[in-house]
Amino acid sequence: NAGVTQTPKFRILKIGQSMTLQCTQDMNHNYMYWYRQDPGMGLKLIYYSVGAGITDKGEVPNGYNVSRSTTEDFPLRLELAAPSQTSVYFCASSFDRGRGYTFGSGTRLTVV
Amino acid sequence: GIQVEQSPPDLILQEGANSTLRCNFSDSVNNLQWFHQNPWGQLINLFYIPSGTKQNGRLSATTVATERYSLLYISSSQTTDSGVYFCAVSSGGYQKVTFGTGTKLQVIP
Repeated sequence: NAGVTQTPKFRILKIGQSMTLQCTQDMNHNYMYWYRQDPGMGLKLIYYSVGAGITDKGEVPNGYNVSRSTTEDFPLRLELAAPSQTSVYFCASSFDRGRGYTFGSGTRLTVV
Repeated sequence: GIQVEQSPPDLILQEGANSTLRCNFSDSVNNLQWFHQNPWGQLINLFYIPSGTKQNGRLSATTVATERYSLLYISSSQTTDSGVYFCAVSSGGYQKVTFGTGTKLQVIP
């Protein structure tokens, strides 16, 4: 079992560029989440999904978009990258709401 | 929204020592999880413990939901225990999980 797989692991973007962070899970979890972690801080929820075709905003959704066309995949899209989006991004999935989280290994994004 | 505070923010231990990490939350919760983020950034789920006590090897956790706190106990600490420990809670039907700011633990040989 691969668990939750995130790609890429590292990326440098220029201001104004766009990119998609990929997240795939093979545990057949309905719930998936995107978090960002700024240096020395906890995790903040960007978007979450309770199943294919259903997504909703978290605490810090501005500047991001998501889609959930399949149970396995939950990509995060950054449009018009800004320096404030420099962070480590974690994708997670769970079998139930609010419990049993499995995290991916993270994507370290720098916007310059 | 619900507030989650963890203490202490930083902790340095000699290998073999015991420690207690605390998580206070501002409102009643349905779910509570403890995570360990190792020095390489990987997040590992340690416990799901909305109430009561659980043990897993040298780690144990207790949540007293009525008093709005949870404790994580680490006994006979090892250098591999180093990293940041996060408490994460959720409440209500929305089930949005809120993370605390963490306790950074360093275990020295």
